[in-house]
Amino acid sequence: DTAVSQTPKYLVTQMGNDKSIKCEQNLGHDTMYWYKQDSKKFLKIMFSYNNKELIINETVPNRFSPKSPDKAHLNLHINSLELGDSAVYFCASSLGVDEQFFGPGTRLTVL
Amino acid sequence: TQLLEQSPQFLSIQEGENLTVYCNSSSVFSSLQWYRQEPGEGPVLLVTVVTGGEVKKLKRLTFQFGDARKDSSLHITAAQPGDTGLYLCAGAGGGSNYKLTFGKGTLLTVNP
Repeated sequence: DTAVSQTPKYLVTQMGNDKSIKCEQNLGHDTMYWYKQDSKKFLKIMFSYNNKELIINETVPNRFSPKSPDKAHLNLHINSLELGDSAVYFCASSLGVDEQFFGPGTRLTVL
Repeated sequence: TQLLEQSPQFLSIQEGENLTVYCNSSSVFSSLQWYRQEPGEGPVLLVTVVTGGEVKKLKRLTFQFGDARKDSSLHITAAQPGDTGLYLCAGAGGGSNYKLTFGKGTLLTVNP
């Protein structure tokens, strides 16, 4: 019944490690997004895919690599994690430019 | 780069009071959305305003889009503890209508 789901909900890892966050939507949407929300609650777009094609790629370190195997999934892989990567990462989806539906977030803590 | 300035950043009021949150920019947006985010959850869309001067009402919440489509306000009448949350405005446009530029949010606490 969940619309946009993310796994894991919490991720605690050491600096230098590589980790992935997965996102799935069952809304039939064609566009998916990754956002980063910092400790001050500022929400910033990172990437967006429309029909599996990258359409938004903000200034994000190339340690971050999104992958969209199909329209319902958008995963985020992060290499060589740094302290500053600690944040809540939100996945979202939309049908075209309509309302964006957000997932519950993944809280990443880098120690 | 489009920026959205949201004010106030924090607001703590008593149940029954009225409040207004502002969202301002020097840029024009094709539409502006308001979201509410509760702790541990993702933002949920409240409303989208598209036309300059548009006013939309959602029960005790009134949303207005400025005539020039550069600013917006959210007014809550007779606030209730259930209104507590982080309110975010987001503008669409800036080269891509898929891209939302978010304000920094207003953390509202309504005390019983």
